[in-house]
Amino acid sequence: KAGVTQTPRYLIKTRGQQVTLSCSPISGHRSVSWYQQTPGQGLQFLFEYFSETQRNKGNFPGRFSGRQFSNSRSEMNVSTLELGDSALYLCASSSGLAPSTDTQYFGPGTRLTVL
Amino acid sequence: EDKVVQSPLSLVVHEGDTVTLNCSYEVTNFRSLLWYKQEKKAPTFLFMLTSSGIEKKSGRLSSILDKKELFSILNITATQTGDSAVYLCAVAISGGSNYKLTFGKGTLLTVNP
Repeated sequence: KAGVTQTPRYLIKTRGQQVTLSCSPISGHRSVSWYQQTPGQGLQFLFEYFSETQRNKGNFPGRFSGRQFSNSRSEMNVSTLELGDSALYLCASSSGLAPSTDTQYFGPGTRLTVL
Repeated sequence: EDKVVQSPLSLVVHEGDTVTLNCSYEVTNFRSLLWYKQEKKAPTFLFMLTSSGIEKKSGRLSSILDKKELFSILNITATQTGDSAVYLCAVAISGGSNYKLTFGKGTLLTVNP
């Protein structure tokens, strides 16, 4: 089975721009979660989608949004980029169904640098 | 607020040593605890623990959960340089639409030859 894929792997943007990141989950998985990882804060939960619906959301401003398509692929959008948005953005997939939903498999991440 | 605390934050050992990594948590409606290993990029799944006192084992790695004292340990025996990584502990919470993992800051393990 192919793993979780994320595109692009690296991005450089300037303040004020917007960015869209993409994640394709493991085949058959219906849940996609997004995390932001920074050296100071560690891994922080952004949101989780299951069957095109957002089921849970972390404590991030509204500039961070996402969506999921019918084929379970997910996109994450960050508008009006700030320097502090520079981070590794990780996507994780799981079946989305208890009890196995907790075991999440991570993609390689997108390294976003905001200048 | 849900909290997951890992200790130590970093650790340097020599090949062949045995290490114990700690993870304590304070969360509402605990469901499971997970361990991940992160080298360069993607965290890779190691263990999921849901019941107290039952050891999970994979090769030289093992882990156990204590739900009464709210902690878990990850043991690595006969460490190798390839074990050098950040080890992440995460807790999943049940109830409502809570499908998220709350992570600790991780333990950076360095194994020197």
